[in-house]
Amino acid sequence: NAGVTQTPKFQVLKTGQSMTLQCAQDMNHNSMYWYRQDPGMGLRLIYYSASEGTTDKGEVPNGYNVSRLNKREFSLRLESAAPSQTSVYFCASSETATNEKLFFGSGTQLSVL
Amino acid sequence: DQQVKQNSPSLSVQEGRISILNCDYTNSMFDYFLWYKKYPAEGPTFLISISSIKDKNEDGRFTVFLNKSAKHLSLHIVPSQPGDSAVYFCAASTIQGAQKLVFGQGTRLTINP
Repeated sequence: NAGVTQTPKFQVLKTGQSMTLQCAQDMNHNSMYWYRQDPGMGLRLIYYSASEGTTDKGEVPNGYNVSRLNKREFSLRLESAAPSQTSVYFCASSETATNEKLFFGSGTQLSVL
Repeated sequence: DQQVKQNSPSLSVQEGRISILNCDYTNSMFDYFLWYKKYPAEGPTFLISISSIKDKNEDGRFTVFLNKSAKHLSLHIVPSQPGDSAVYFCAASTIQGAQKLVFGQGTRLTINP
């Protein structure tokens, strides 16, 4: 049972480059989330999708875009990467937006030089 | 403004003893609290939760206590085992659910043999 799968696991970008982080869940969950984790900051919500066809900004959305491609997949795009976006990114899903029990992927370590 | 704070970045406990991890919050609208556990190179996993209508919830070796008047919750692990070594995040939400989930900075627990 795969749960939440994120790709890639590691990525190094140069400032100004773009990339897309992919996330897929196989639990038939309605809601999906993108978080970033920085030292001393805990997990901060970037964007979320409460249900297929909807997306909304979280706490730190600047510099990112998202696409809820279908019920399974939720991607995060950095159009022009900046060093401040160096972080560990986690995708998560939950049965519904009101269910706080989240299931996380294993994370993407992103470095922007 | 850090609404959920874990003031101890790290904690070291001897195997078999009790581990107590603490978490403070400032938002009186929080009504649901969770603890997540994270191993290196993995995503966080849900551990235990408590609703604001309760002051204690137990699940095996794990107990969460909530003191609403002090805006404080704690996670007790008894007895502590080496496999409990991980980073623990507390999180809090309002009635709006997962899209408004706020995480603390995390506490790294090390269980020494």
